[in-house]
Parts: sequence; C-alpha cells; structure tokens
Amino acid sequence: ETGVTQSPTHLIKTRGQQVTLRCSSQSGHNTVSWYQQALGQGPQFIFQYYREEENGRGNFPPRFSGLQFPNYSSELNVNALELDDSALYLCASSTGGLNTEAFFGQGTRLTVV
Amino acid sequence: AQSVAQPEDQVNVAEGNPLTVKCTYSVSGNPYLFWYVQYPNRGLQFLLKYITGDNLVKGSYGFEAEFNKSQTSFHLKKPSALVSDSALYFCAVRDGYYEGQLTFGSGTQLTVLP
Repeated sequence: ETGVTQSPTHLIKTRGQQVTLRCSSQSGHNTVSWYQQALGQGPQFIFQYYREEENGRGNFPPRFSGLQFPNYSSELNVNALELDDSALYLCASSTGGLNTEAFFGQGTRLTVV
Repeated sequence: AQSVAQPEDQVNVAEGNPLTVKCTYSVSGNPYLFWYVQYPNRGLQFLLKYITGDNLVKGSYGFEAEFNKSQTSFHLKKPSALVSDSALYFCAVRDGYYEGQLTFGSGTQLTVLP
C-alpha cells in the first residue's frame, strides 16, 4: 500500500451540487496531482500542485479547482456537478521531477445522480 | 501532444506461460515511461519505469519491460504468469513539455487462466 490516502471512498451527489474530495500525500512528497478515471477508461490528468501552486492543468473546465496546503495535502473541488462527472477520482503524490513515479491513493468513487 | 496506445483491450494467457502487454507511445522530447497495475476498485500501483540507460527494465513482482526507441514501444513482459497477475494494466508516458503530467493508455485487462 502507498502512503497516499483519499477521503471519502464513495460519494453520491445530485446534479448541480458541489463536492470536495481530499487527499493526504505520502510523507516527503511535495507534488500532488489529480486524475479522473471514467468507467472503462484510463486516468485523465486534471491538474497538479507543487508547493501550493498549480503548475499544470489538463483539459478540464474551471469548475474543477483545487488547493494544496502547507503540509502538502490537497483538495479537489467540483462545482455544478454534471452526470458525466461520475468517475473514480485518483490522487497521486510524488517528489516532483519528470523521472519520478507517482504513488496513487485508492480513489474516491463519485456518483452524480 | 503526448499519447499512449495499448492496442489490446484484453490479453488471456495460461498460468506458467510468458505474457506480454503491448504499449506504444508518442512524445515530443525524451520519453519517461511507466507501467501501473490496477486491481478492482483500487488505485493504481506502480510496477516499473524507464528513464534512460538499459532498454530492459526490471520491476516489481517479476515484471520487466523492454524499451524500443525505433518502434516507440514499451512492452510489459513476465516470463511465467500467475493467476494473481490478473488485473488491469496501464502504460503511461511523461515528457518535459507537459509539466509532469502523466498520459495514460486505455488499459489492457490481463486474465491468467489456471
């Protein structure tokens, strides 16, 4: 098991609502990234935080936003939820750098009804 | 843009036989390549990576991968498959242009038959 923990593990929300997902990074890791994995697909990059600053973003609308805290934990916020936002949301932490592997949490399964 | 292709959605192999899961990639600069495994309702687990050097990379649980620059491929291999290797496997690539973003393939479901 990695040292990356995510909460909650499962969540059901109604279309139009807002949701916050949380991630605690592995000890010693200063970089956190978030991915969306729809059913039957590979993970898609949402954004990455390094030392509390966003330093990379994928093709996701502004209603997907995030934060990284001084202890390097992170939040993913999604506003105005849509049915297509139903997915497994994965958090990954690393020490940064192109050649470092990312360690993933177990994910949060979000269902939007 | 960087991209990854996993041409096989499903690979079946008998226990004890060698297995190969295929991956090809496209990047602008030097590739950093990774393999991850995912068990049902779980996150991704790192298996191995290629950064530079030897084209044959060894990783966890007896897996290895062969990097081929001319064919832009990074196939995952194991000499003798176990039933417990049955899982979903993802190849991923990162290059210097995209600020650390990992781009994943669509995944290959490996089933090892007893």
